[in-house]
Amino acid sequence: DTEVTQTPKHLVMGMTNKKSLKCEQHMGHRAMYWYKQKAKKPPELMFVYSYEKLSINESVPSRFSPECPNSSLLNLHLHALQPEDSALYLCASSQGAGGAGYEQYFGPGTRLTVT
Amino acid sequence: GENVEQHPSTLSVQEGDSAVIKCTYSDSASNYFPWYKQELGKGPQLIIDIRSNVGEKKDQRIAVTLNKTAKHFSLHITETQPEDSAVYFCAASNSNSGYALNFGKGTSLLVTP
Repeated sequence: DTEVTQTPKHLVMGMTNKKSLKCEQHMGHRAMYWYKQKAKKPPELMFVYSYEKLSINESVPSRFSPECPNSSLLNLHLHALQPEDSALYLCASSQGAGGAGYEQYFGPGTRLTVT
Repeated sequence: GENVEQHPSTLSVQEGDSAVIKCTYSDSASNYFPWYKQELGKGPQLIIDIRSNVGEKKDQRIAVTLNKTAKHFSLHITETQPEDSAVYFCAASNSNSGYALNFGKGTSLLVTP
């Protein structure tokens, strides 16, 4: 089973709201990722967690705050977003990170609209 | 950093024909090359991958070839079916980027019956 689940599927929020995106995997993977994908573009890496520690932050604005409570869960906390942050937010996981190229498996994404 | 170029951006084929998508990469340290298929409204699905110690890999109707000297790799889909219609992304990764995936811009494949 290579399933990564994400909730919610869709989210509409105002610029003053605080919301969270959730991601879960039960494959025993030790690396988890957040990507942002705009329409007709490839996914762009935002954050990488390896063994529950943040290992890569691709200069993402502080209005996006990741959290990895345990090896199966990954959250993305959202605050004071801008309309241009509207996108598909994808979570992925892999067996490890920093090794010899581990397969990354993606979830279905959360479609975020900021009004 | 790594730069991955992907061509063509759109590809239309008749059902039963073959489809080929090509990617080039810039960083000779890249050693892992996955391909993803993304259907409308879904997340990317890993369909095949290849590592730099292998020149070719096949899985049923899908094959990937890698030319390390020329720094390019290709996806080959034979006997295409309408359900193969999707956007396909190639990617490359290496230790310099912590094995983060560097994606190409994608190819929109349409298979017409």
